[in-house]
Amino acid sequence: DAGITQSPRHKVTETGTPVTLRCHQTENHRYMYWYRQDPGHGLRLIHYSYGVKDTDKGEVSDGYSVSRSKTEDFLLTLESATSSQTSVYFCAISSGTGYYEQYFGPGTRLTVT
Amino acid sequence: EDQVTQSPEALRLQEGESSSLNCSYTVSGLRGLFWYRQDPGKGPEFLFTLYSAGEEKEKERLKATLTKKESFLHITAPKPEDTATYLCAVQASRNEKLTFGTGTRLTIIP
Repeated sequence: DAGITQSPRHKVTETGTPVTLRCHQTENHRYMYWYRQDPGHGLRLIHYSYGVKDTDKGEVSDGYSVSRSKTEDFLLTLESATSSQTSVYFCAISSGTGYYEQYFGPGTRLTVT
Repeated sequence: EDQVTQSPEALRLQEGESSSLNCSYTVSGLRGLFWYRQDPGKGPEFLFTLYSAGEEKEKERLKATLTKKESFLHITAPKPEDTATYLCAVQASRNEKLTFGTGTRLTIIP
């Protein structure tokens, strides 16, 4: 298994509160991604990073921000959580050099009440 | 805009009954097509990458094939442990993003 951990694994929070999810990798891969998975929509890209302090938006980035201060850590922040952000969040990594497959973490189930 | 459509949405097979899952795609300049397996409550697990039409990859009871418009995941003599959701994704050559289909939920009945 690729060395990817996500924390927390489960979280329940109230509408309007800030939430930060953490992704940690031990593979020294350049690219890191945050996805959300919802029934009927499949996996959708929120943000991704192509290096320390280098990030870009995905297709569903509104309401989310990210930061990457170290190669191994990629943080996803919901500044003010809403019920529409209830979802399962997955982090993924990719070496991006000749082999483009992405490897996924175990996921974080977030419920916003 | 890149698009991926998977069919059927769900498939139930008897143990040993072979079948195929379909992934139709549109992408401007294909870098790669990816197949993943996802078990309930877990993250997707990488299976295959296909890069060009005509390419085939095999792993145990699974074989993935690729044409210019679609990919098939053939499952031969499946076992109950093959029960999972199978996801297809494409990556365009212009960026690092994957576009996923919504998956095929496969159930193998003993």
